[in-house]
Amino acid sequence: EAGVAQSPRYKIIEKRQSVAFWCNPISGHATLYWYQQILGQGPKLLIQFQNNGVVDDSQLPKDRFSAERLKGVDSTLKIQPAKLEDSAVYLCASSLVGTGVGYTFGSGTRLTVV
Amino acid sequence: QKEVEQNSGPLSVPEGAIASLNCTYSDRVSQSFFWYRQYSGKSPELIMSIYSNGDKEDGRFTAQLNKASQYVSLLIRDSQPSDSATYLCAVNRPDRGSTLGRLYFGRGTQLTVWP
Repeated sequence: EAGVAQSPRYKIIEKRQSVAFWCNPISGHATLYWYQQILGQGPKLLIQFQNNGVVDDSQLPKDRFSAERLKGVDSTLKIQPAKLEDSAVYLCASSLVGTGVGYTFGSGTRLTVV
Repeated sequence: QKEVEQNSGPLSVPEGAIASLNCTYSDRVSQSFFWYRQYSGKSPELIMSIYSNGDKEDGRFTAQLNKASQYVSLLIRDSQPSDSATYLCAVNRPDRGSTLGRLYFGRGTQLTVWP
């Protein structure tokens, strides 16, 4: 079974620039998550999709972050404009049926904002 | 009070010893509990899940859950240098903002197993 694919692996941008991350979940997984992990901290949920609908975006800074999941498969997460404090690893994860079971993370995108 | 609390460590044990990792959570309605292992520079990897009070064993790993005390632990027997990683405790609970519940992570405990 192929895992969760993410790209790019690394990204360095200047503050106020925009950036986009891409995620392809495990085939058949209806639930997709984007997490932000700042160095030394645990992952924090940004947004959760069920198929192509948003079920939880309460912790997404909507003034600068946006995400979509077209056709219930791939997803993109965008930051515009980026701030220094957005430097983190952005992890995508997927699961068959929500958070009641553990789920699989992708390899992540390490974002550095300078 | 944070949703999930872990001792940040670092925890250092000799090879062959038992490593004990602890986690407490704040909300009694939490339903599912997980331990993830994260090697430096890598993504978290699920190693144990537990849903009811008591112990659950999988190879050298044992997860323990006590809902009355709101406490989850992970024991690693016969620790190996390859077990050196950060261990993240995660707790799922229903949440007003999510129809499917939300998974809350602790900040992790760094474990070092020395030969």
